[in-house]
Amino acid sequence: ETGVTQSPTHLIKTRGQQVTLRCSSQSGHNTVSWYQQALGQGPQFIFQYYREEENGRGNFPPRFSGLQFPNYSSELNVNALELDDSALYLCASSLLVRREGRNEQFFGPGTRLTVL
Amino acid sequence: GESVGLHLPTLSVQEGDNSIINCAYSNSASDYFIWYKQESGKGPQFIIDIRSNMDKRQGQRVTVLLNKTVKHLSLQIAATQPGDSAVYFCAEKGDTGFQKLVFGTGTRLLVSP
Repeated sequence: ETGVTQSPTHLIKTRGQQVTLRCSSQSGHNTVSWYQQALGQGPQFIFQYYREEENGRGNFPPRFSGLQFPNYSSELNVNALELDDSALYLCASSLLVRREGRNEQFFGPGTRLTVL
Repeated sequence: GESVGLHLPTLSVQEGDNSIINCAYSNSASDYFIWYKQESGKGPQFIIDIRSNMDKRQGQRVTVLLNKTVKHLSLQIAATQPGDSAVYFCAEKGDTGFQKLVFGTGTRLLVSP
């Protein structure tokens, strides 16, 4: 186990609703990255938070937003849910010494979101 | 643009055989590569990584080879076991300043007893 936890494990929403997913990073880590994994695909980078600030973003619309808290846990918020948002949402934590560092990312088990 | 692709979507091997999973990447500026294993219902699990200043790195039963000339990455698993059955992803850190990983679509490894 990586020590990265996510909640909830499963979630069902309807189109147009809003959702908040949560991630607790591994002890000692200061960076959380969020990924979306559609069925049968590899994870796609959404964004990363480093020391409570967004540290980079992938090709996702603004209705995908996030937060990182002083204890380095993080939230992913998605507004105006669409059917295509159905996916496994993964968070990964790591320890970066500097903003552009390269380190192992440890993944949590994911939250399975279904949008009806 | 960035893309990471895998040559074979499914690889079937017998227990005890050596497995080789291949991956091609397109971003010549990528400087860090990782192999992940993902079992059903779980998040990706780190296997091994390699930086672009290396061409080979070994772990326990696994070896990663990097050929920057042809932008090719491979994962070798020695004495494959049924517990190795999973989907394997290669991922690269692109040339952005932050640690964005670009994943391929994955290769499913099936190990028969």
